[in-house]
Amino acid sequence: NAGVTQTPKFQVLKTGQSMTLQCAQDMNHEYMSWYRQDPGMGLRLIHYSVGAGITDQGEVPNGYNVSRSTTEDFPLRLLSAAPSQTSVYFCATTFTGGLNTEAFFGQGTRLTVV
Amino acid sequence: GNSVTQMEGPVTLSEEAFLTINCTYTATGYPSLFWYVQYPGEGLQLLLKATKADDKGSNKGFEATYRKETTSFHLEKGSVQVSDSAVYFCALGNAGGTSYGKLTFGQGTILTVHP
Repeated sequence: NAGVTQTPKFQVLKTGQSMTLQCAQDMNHEYMSWYRQDPGMGLRLIHYSVGAGITDQGEVPNGYNVSRSTTEDFPLRLLSAAPSQTSVYFCATTFTGGLNTEAFFGQGTRLTVV
Repeated sequence: GNSVTQMEGPVTLSEEAFLTINCTYTATGYPSLFWYVQYPGEGLQLLLKATKADDKGSNKGFEATYRKETTSFHLEKGSVQVSDSAVYFCALGNAGGTSYGKLTFGQGTILTVHP
């Protein structure tokens, strides 16, 4: 049982390049989210999805695009990478049983934009 | 909107010392509260949680009590070990199952425990 799998683990991009960070889950959770982690700022929500075909913006969505065609996959696209997008990115899924909103995280993707 | 404030770190302790990491929050309604831990090079793992006022979450010797009157969820451990060295995040989820998986995180506290 893999849980939440993110690829790649590391990536270096040049300014202006585009790329897709992959996230796949085998937990059959409806809710999936993308966060970025920056020093001293904790994790900030980029985009989230409540199910296949439904996505919405989080706190810091600019420069990122998402889609959710299946329950299992939730890719994050950087349209034109900027140095400000250098960060560690985490994908998470959530099981919601009433108030039991525990999130499960992937191992992260460390992205550097030069 | 929701917000979470953690005590600033880093925190450096000797093995077997007592640990407290303060966490306070601002939220409407009755949020769920979580502590996550991130070991070096890894993702976040749930450490403990509490879903209503006066609940105490506990795991691996760590405890935290949901205090609505002080809007706090402080993390404590009576005797830390070197293996507890990690980054600790306090987080808040909206109440009533309406969070859609969204969490609001504090800035994280780096804990280093020396032998």
